[in-house]
Amino acid sequence: AQKVTQAQTEISVVEKEDVTLDCVYETRDTTYYLFWYKQPPSGELVFLIRRNSFDEQNEISGRYSWNFQKSTSSFNFTITASQVVDSAVYFCALSEAESNTGKLIFGQGTTLQVKP
Amino acid sequence: NAGVTQTPKFRVLKTGQSMTLLCAQDMNHEYMYWYRQDPGMGLRLIHYSVGEGTTAKGEVPDGYNVSRLKKQNFLLGLESAAPSQTSVYFCASSYSERSYQETQYFGPGTRLLVL
Repeated sequence: AQKVTQAQTEISVVEKEDVTLDCVYETRDTTYYLFWYKQPPSGELVFLIRRNSFDEQNEISGRYSWNFQKSTSSFNFTITASQVVDSAVYFCALSEAESNTGKLIFGQGTTLQVKP
Repeated sequence: NAGVTQTPKFRVLKTGQSMTLLCAQDMNHEYMYWYRQDPGMGLRLIHYSVGEGTTAKGEVPDGYNVSRLKKQNFLLGLESAAPSQTSVYFCASSYSERSYQETQYFGPGTRLLVL
């Protein structure tokens, strides 16, 4: 059965520290997409990145980077030199081609608090 | 271009009351979704629609009904609200072609409290 696990419920760091948010997924499908969304205190969901199952290249966008490893079914998210504005709940999500409905399976979310 | 909008932003209901949540999108998306967010559980899919006039059940459909009479609107109804339906409700939309790879765009959410 498909599942996304974010084992870290809450993480607290001090500004400028690097932090990695873990995401482990389960799927029987060979074609799927993985996503990360950010939910700041204001409540909206902000899309960060999507990655397909055939592309294991790591991605870097400014202070953000993502490490996709099919061998361990993980799609981890690292924030370098964290800032207070990074404080939010971060969700990892999975979409499978087999269902062809586009529905997202979300992890439980990781609350990141960055202290000044 | 407003994207995805939701009405209302916040509502308090008494047990047994009914209400409808409205989701509207102006991106000409075929697919629309309703999720609920509860503490520690992420977002869970309630119902979704793959086009005007079609709807389907998601992971947690009990107690909810939906309608998609117009392509741009997706309505979520609670016929008889229960305290267990206290949650934050998010609507999302995406393009249809190979929907599994499309990014879903979310509305701002509706906070519902059932007393």
